[in-house]
Amino acid sequence: QVQLQESGPGLVKPSETLSLTCTVSGGSISSYYWSWIRQTPGKGLEWIGYIYYSGTTNYNPSLKSRVTISVDTSENQFSLKLSSVTAADTAVYYCARSYTNSGNYCGAFDYWGQGTLVTVSS
Amino acid sequence: DIVMTQTPLSSPVTLGQPASISCRSSQSLVHSDGNTYLSWLQQRPGQPPRLLIYKISNRFSGVPDRFSGSGAGTDFTLKISRVEAEDVGVYYCMQATQFPLTFGGGTKVEIK
Repeated sequence: QVQLQESGPGLVKPSETLSLTCTVSGGSISSYYWSWIRQTPGKGLEWIGYIYYSGTTNYNPSLKSRVTISVDTSENQFSLKLSSVTAADTAVYYCARSYTNSGNYCGAFDYWGQGTLVTVSS
Repeated sequence: DIVMTQTPLSSPVTLGQPASISCRSSQSLVHSDGNTYLSWLQQRPGQPPRLLIYKISNRFSGVPDRFSGSGAGTDFTLKISRVEAEDVGVYYCMQATQFPLTFGGGTKVEIK
């Protein structure tokens, strides 16, 4: 059973960089797309971006100038960095895996982490 | 960005009765590869979202058959044939046809 676990600081100061890591267990990070998604009461669910195990990325244009997603296949982890944060970046951050069926892209997320609350405050 | 609009915002349902949630996209979700990447997720209180349905009508592994999805183009529906207590939560539609991926605002299903 694939499991994802987010980790990182729960409190980040304004203007600093938010850094989170998602550790994948029970399966390989290879051959899948991995995404970061955040959730706020006000804006709901927002897709931040994805990374393929090979390192190819795609970011939400609304965050692109501040986002970096990277992958470490040797550790079965991928990471999120969001720079110059403000209170508007306070959210529950989820990592998730893109679902493939017999190798075919299905446009959905089949495994999610439990989520981690990140608060931006001084 | 494709805007996903869900109705109703809230759906009080009697146990054992059906429930229906609508999702409308601001543009067609038919991809150039012929697929329509519309999925439905359930989020129970305090839990992460859980995949129910992908590509309009395909139930994900382990999802009870009382959940069904239908629709085409820009209009989609999730139906629960007989609501059970464990179905309480917020339901979201999501499109993955065009980047950035976007979600509906959610529909809360609660028991009357």
